[in-house]
Amino acid sequence: DGGITQSPKYLFRKEGQNVTLSCEQNLNHDAMYWYRQDPGQGLRLIYYSQIVNDFQKGDIAEGYSVSREKKESFPLTVTSAQKNPTAFYLCASRRDRGSATEAFFGQGTRLTVV
Amino acid sequence: ILNVEQSPQSLHVQEGDSTNFTCSFPSSNFYALHWYRWETAKSPEALFVMTLNGDEKKKGRISATLNTKEGYSYLYIKGSQPEDSATYLCAFLYNNNDMRFGAGTRLTVKP
Repeated sequence: DGGITQSPKYLFRKEGQNVTLSCEQNLNHDAMYWYRQDPGQGLRLIYYSQIVNDFQKGDIAEGYSVSREKKESFPLTVTSAQKNPTAFYLCASRRDRGSATEAFFGQGTRLTVV
Repeated sequence: ILNVEQSPQSLHVQEGDSTNFTCSFPSSNFYALHWYRWETAKSPEALFVMTLNGDEKKKGRISATLNTKEGYSYLYIKGSQPEDSATYLCAFLYNNNDMRFGAGTRLTVKP
């Protein structure tokens, strides 16, 4: 079955440690996204990537880094520079063939930094 | 920061009521408007992809309209059922791939 896989579902880290969240898709989609959700708030764009080896900052990119070495994979690293990293992180992908393509989403990763 | 606003923030209706939500977005550089439904403990799923001013889409009891000139879209649910309870998100695309979401409207339908 095609889809997007995020792992792990729950992640705990100590303050000051970098942590990498995984996002893999087998839908052959070109565009991939990372969003963050805080309690009572909507999805805020962290980074997106249109093609391999290219990515663009969203509204809240500070303290995060990404890579897109393979079409299928778009990992997100939450660095120690991110001041408030505890949140729900959602990955999405879209086929890049014009605007009439919906996004597909992973199940999300809930990160807790203690 | 691109502003995509949704209202109301939450809505409680009785089974059988009809309801509607609003999504407001920048009227310039419009590329597409998406509606998603997000049920608790699941991933968001697409309802509609809208690209043209005046677009109207329908899926069962749910429909949506689009006005790109004034920067808004309406989502309508006719005869709400408890299984319609979810958060409804709109997403604004101002180029092919930059996709920004509103905060969502949380709908609760009471039996």
